[in-house]
Amino acid sequence: AQTVTQSQPEMSVQEAETVTLSCTYDTSESDYYLFWYKQPPSRQMILVIRQEAYKQQNATENRFSVNFQKAAKSFSLKISDSQLGDAAMYFCAYRSARTGANSKLTFGKGITLSVRP
Amino acid sequence: DAGVIQSPRHEVTEMGQEVTLRCKPISGHDYLFWYRQTMMRGLELLIYFNNNVPIDDSGMPEDRFSAKMPNASFSTLKIQPSEPRDSAVYFCASRLRPRGTEAFFGQGTRLTVV
Repeated sequence: AQTVTQSQPEMSVQEAETVTLSCTYDTSESDYYLFWYKQPPSRQMILVIRQEAYKQQNATENRFSVNFQKAAKSFSLKISDSQLGDAAMYFCAYRSARTGANSKLTFGKGITLSVRP
Repeated sequence: DAGVIQSPRHEVTEMGQEVTLRCKPISGHDYLFWYRQTMMRGLELLIYFNNNVPIDDSGMPEDRFSAKMPNASFSTLKIQPSEPRDSAVYFCASRLRPRGTEAFFGQGTRLTVV
């Protein structure tokens, strides 16, 4: 079974600075997807960024980028120029891409990010 | 599109009562998921449907929980009878079949059983 680990329960960053959130996962599969979701106080789960395992290039979305290390099974999220609105809980998630595999998302425990003005 | 719509947003009920949570997925999406979020266990899958058919219900905790998807635009999650340990946020999510598409989540229902 796949597992996703987010070992840091909380992090804090100064506004306009850069912060990196860590995530590791365990799988025996070679084809899968990794996601970062943001959950602000409103409770809504919002997709931040997605990475396909067969793509070596790291995904980027504006101020958000990932460092995907497939061999190390590591998938960290970097937030540049942090803004007050980035304060939220962030979840790393895994989904198999294998045909016929379970389509569910497996989530890490999440990390609470606070942004200091 | 209005996104995934869940109702109610909040539900407070007494132990032993029946609770029904509702979800309207995004039109055209093939998959529908029910997740539960608690402080202790985080986000865990309860059940998911593909084209209205339940595919994996291994996460449903007990027989007190049941889920249905009578058509492509509506699903329910029912708890009968409810217990205080069922208190959690319940999320519904949907997505399209093609590879790589992400799941879109509703705003969740916060259930409190007293």
